[in-house]
Amino acid sequence: EAGVTQSPTHLIKTRGQQATLRCSPISGHTSVYWYQQALGLGLQFLLWYDEGEERNRGNFPPRFSGRQFPNYSSELNVNALELEDSALYLCASSLESTGTYEQYFGPGTRLTVT
Amino acid sequence: GESVGLHLPTLSVQEGDNSIINCAYSNSASDYFIWYKQESGKGPQFIIDIRSNMDKRQGQRVTVLLNKTVKHLSLQIAATQPGDSAVYFCADSYSGTYKYIFGTGTRLKVLA
Repeated sequence: EAGVTQSPTHLIKTRGQQATLRCSPISGHTSVYWYQQALGLGLQFLLWYDEGEERNRGNFPPRFSGRQFPNYSSELNVNALELEDSALYLCASSLESTGTYEQYFGPGTRLTVT
Repeated sequence: GESVGLHLPTLSVQEGDNSIINCAYSNSASDYFIWYKQESGKGPQFIIDIRSNMDKRQGQRVTVLLNKTVKHLSLQIAATQPGDSAVYFCADSYSGTYKYIFGTGTRLKVLA
């Protein structure tokens, strides 16, 4: 069974540009989560999607947004990029949306803003 | 791969010894807890979980202990091996909030 996949692996953008990151969950998983992991820090919760709907978001500005498609894959968009947006962005999926099941993580997308 | 958590607390353990990694959580309503392992350049990998109606759960070479009174979680790794070297994160969630909160992580170094 294929795991969670993310693309691209690396993304380099300049300040002010927009970035789009993609995630495909494990087959059968309806919930997708996005996290930001800055170097030296833990995982910061960004967004949670389930059945195409945004269920919860973390303490991030509105320029961080996303969506979930009918096939449960997801996109994270970051507008007006700032230098401090440079981080590893991790996507995870889980079988249920109750918050009481393990999440399976992808390898991440390393976003570098120059 | 690239480094994760360059400034994280580090636990150094001799190969073959037992490791204990600790984690504190803040939400007394949390009812589900997970430990993850993250190797350099990879996403976190699930190790073991525990629900709030339990205080101990064992897996293969790993044991998680939950003390709800002091909001503390620990991960015990028996007979630590070089392949256990990684950053370990705990996470907790409350089923009503649909959000997982991750700890900052602890780097485990296994000494040969």
